[in-house]
Amino acid sequence: IAGITQAPTSQILAAGRRMTLRCTQDMRHNAMYWYRQDLGLGLRLIHYSNTAGTTGKGEVPDGYSVSRANTDDFPLTLASAVPSQTSVYFCASSASGTSGHNEQFFGPGTRLTVL
Amino acid sequence: GQNIDQPTEMTATEGAIVQINCTYQTSGFNGLFWYQQHAGEAPTFLSYNVLDGLEEKGRFSSFLSRSKGYSYLLLKELQMKDSASYLCAVRDSNYQLIWGAGTKLIIKP
Repeated sequence: IAGITQAPTSQILAAGRRMTLRCTQDMRHNAMYWYRQDLGLGLRLIHYSNTAGTTGKGEVPDGYSVSRANTDDFPLTLASAVPSQTSVYFCASSASGTSGHNEQFFGPGTRLTVL
Repeated sequence: GQNIDQPTEMTATEGAIVQINCTYQTSGFNGLFWYQQHAGEAPTFLSYNVLDGLEEKGRFSSFLSRSKGYSYLLLKELQMKDSASYLCAVRDSNYQLIWGAGTKLIIKP
């Protein structure tokens, strides 16, 4: 693996179903992030993790949950999908979430459609 | 509230220079980032400014004025491959990135 991978690439989901988006990085970055990107809006932070074992809420956390059991993986779960969660989801990571010039590196994204 | 403003769309000619502006109002400031995003792809990092002034990196330069809450990205010698969206993001007092909606840059031959 080189960088950040996300799975699946795209998914069509029935409303009410549970879905987990996967994200894995091999850069040994401490911080990881989940964003959603909708047309006409900037990237919006859903949840983040500054280090393994800790997570925090971003701007739009409702309806989503995350876990950070180890450094590499940061899955995002939609407990009961709703059509408003139709979006492109990006996972990102950075060396640190709390200091310095730490640009974020992005995965290729997951395009999710909830019907 | 926190706000990042950038033009929705700009058009420029191949070989020319274009300046994309970004104004911001955020709770705290810990740096400003510019990212490039081609259609259907992930954002990729272009530049970072934390002090006032100009940062130059090849054909791309980025300027910051913290007192004015203002930045611009300058692209020189435009190439067709520069057609993309350019995203401005500010790291706030919580070290979270606040993103603008992006500027779609269209390059014409």
